[in-house]
Amino acid sequence: GQNIDQPTEMTATEGAIVQINCTYQTSGFNGLFWYQQHAGEAPTFLSYNVLDGLEEKGRFSSFLSRSKGYSYLLLKELQMKDSASYLCAVRDLSGAGSYQLTFGKGTKLSVIP
Amino acid sequence: DVKVTQSSRYLVKRTGEKVFLECVQDMDHENMFWYRQDPGLGLRLIYFSYDVKMKEKGDIPEGYSVSREKKERFSLILESASTNQTSMYLCASSLGSVDNEQFFGPGTRLTVL
Repeated sequence: GQNIDQPTEMTATEGAIVQINCTYQTSGFNGLFWYQQHAGEAPTFLSYNVLDGLEEKGRFSSFLSRSKGYSYLLLKELQMKDSASYLCAVRDLSGAGSYQLTFGKGTKLSVIP
Repeated sequence: DVKVTQSSRYLVKRTGEKVFLECVQDMDHENMFWYRQDPGLGLRLIYFSYDVKMKEKGDIPEGYSVSREKKERFSLILESASTNQTSMYLCASSLGSVDNEQFFGPGTRLTVL
């Protein structure tokens, strides 16, 4: 099975930088995804990492260390609209379904003025 | 843009009723997924399909079945709804390659009385 851990809630100030961590344990790691989900809406894709290192996309960056089973999502210049839940999801090829993802429980980020 | 649609945003059913949740995607994706999302538990995979007439059990298939007769449509069936199936149901689709993200529908909030 898989175990994915991320903090339940975080609060940060508008204009600041926040880092949301995700740790995972899996035997056949083949990629890590970050999704954003606003309250009452569907998750939307933010980033994908399969190799070690940092992927930057505008104000959002995602980092992966496969040896440590660790990823983080970095949000810069926080805006009020960034208040949402952030979901970490891992793909594991050792299971029956190579296309399925296992999701963490999500981190609810609140951005305050 | 990929569009994933679900037949209802809100649904109220009674215990013991047979419930059909429909999902349609318009981008010729091979893979389709059904999740349920509950507070404190996150997104959990019920069933997925990587081709027409193919289906695989996810992490929590008990009490559910699925049907994929056409590539664009994936149905989730609750044979005899129970109150513990009250949840938000999310459908997703993706291309048939491991590094492709999943696109989610808007969700169906099902209440079983």
